[in-house]
Amino acid sequence: GNSVTQMEGPVTLSEEAFLTINCTYTATGYPSLFWYVQYPGEGLQLLLKATKADDKGSNKGFEATYRKETTSFHLEKGSVQVSDSAVYFCALTLEYGNKLVFGAGTILRVKS
Amino acid sequence: DAMVIQNPRYQVTQFGKPVTLSCSQTLNHNVMYWYQQKSSQAPKLLFHYYDKDFNNEADTPDNFQSRRPNTSFCFLDIRSPGLGDAAMYLCATSSGDRGLMDTEAFFGQGTRLTVV
Repeated sequence: GNSVTQMEGPVTLSEEAFLTINCTYTATGYPSLFWYVQYPGEGLQLLLKATKADDKGSNKGFEATYRKETTSFHLEKGSVQVSDSAVYFCALTLEYGNKLVFGAGTILRVKS
Repeated sequence: DAMVIQNPRYQVTQFGKPVTLSCSQTLNHNVMYWYQQKSSQAPKLLFHYYDKDFNNEADTPDNFQSRRPNTSFCFLDIRSPGLGDAAMYLCATSSGDRGLMDTEAFFGQGTRLTVV
């Protein structure tokens, strides 16, 4: 079946530290990959996405590269801020599909 | 301005007493979803509507039903809530024309259901 595995949290970093949140997937076919973010008290919102192998998604200083050979889509940011504290969800959807399959989410806490 | 609105934000219901959660959207999207999210677990898709077409996930219990009377509104009905149904319920929408490759899903803030 299709599934997404994320590193467990919480991840606690100091401001300006480098962030990596690991995400690997299992899928039949060719998935599109997403990172969604949930800030406190808000709904999930799309952070970035990549639709084919070697594509890099980027937004708000976050990046993730679709690695087909390692079935991974790790999220990175060079310098985190307190305002990045949130829950980050890796997800996939299959070609032209309308259903998202999520990972369990990773809590990020950034200290000033 | 909120585009996907879920009411209420918090719902307490008694064991076995039917409960309805509601979702409305101002995006005019043709796809609406209901996800169940238990603590520290991945959001799990219960079902979705593509326009009026209802699509149930194979492992969604019969205890969960849904209604979509029009484009803007969608309801989640839990006929006889058990303690195991306590969770956050997320509503989402998407435009659906070419799937989620070319668009994104918009989520509400969720309704946290407590069963006592």
